[in-house]
Amino acid sequence: QKEVEQDPGPLSVPEGAIVSLNCTYSNSAFQYFMWYRQYSRKGPELLMYTYSSGNKEDGRFTAQVDKSSKYISLFIRDSQPSDSATYLCAMTFSGGGADGLTFGKGTHLIIQP
Amino acid sequence: DAGITQSPRHKVTETGTPVTLRCHQTENHRYMYWYRQDPGHGLRLIHYSYGVKDTDKGEVSDGYSVSRSKTEDFLLTLESATSSQTSVYFCAIKEGSGDEQFFGPGTRLTVL
Repeated sequence: QKEVEQDPGPLSVPEGAIVSLNCTYSNSAFQYFMWYRQYSRKGPELLMYTYSSGNKEDGRFTAQVDKSSKYISLFIRDSQPSDSATYLCAMTFSGGGADGLTFGKGTHLIIQP
Repeated sequence: DAGITQSPRHKVTETGTPVTLRCHQTENHRYMYWYRQDPGHGLRLIHYSYGVKDTDKGEVSDGYSVSRSKTEDFLLTLESATSSQTSVYFCAIKEGSGDEQFFGPGTRLTVL
């Protein structure tokens, strides 16, 4: 079992819909969680960062962490065609240390105009 | 792009040849990372550096070496490239005491 599981999709939704993207993880030592957006042939771009259970909101994006269930989510409200991309969840162990990130495989999201 | 550049951006090489990829940052960050991205695997950590001359192995380090002789440059070397090392390689930096990493534009490497 891979440490971080993420449905690769594709996930296709109509413009304006609320999108829910999810990851589950097996190692309870993960404490810090990130969501990245990656457009085709580009580098990952950081969207959200959170380190505690609960919700964090930034504009149309909400990141949710449930450490007891080892489950994280990213919600996108009022989805736009420009949100079409691959979304990667990532997580790490330490606060401020040198540890690398462990990624999910990414979910390919398509927003239909 | 957090002041990160990668060179070359594209490279095609033959099996058995040495290849060096360069990551350059302009903002004096301590931590630098090399990842590879492959279909079906996502991003995986190859090596990382926590200071000049201080490096360590990641999840998929076999066949790769790194060097960091100055803060701004982190080099990834494939001593003898194999077809299994065909991939997209991303460099990342971490700012200060945070955990967020910021990625460069990537190098697309094809080993024939």
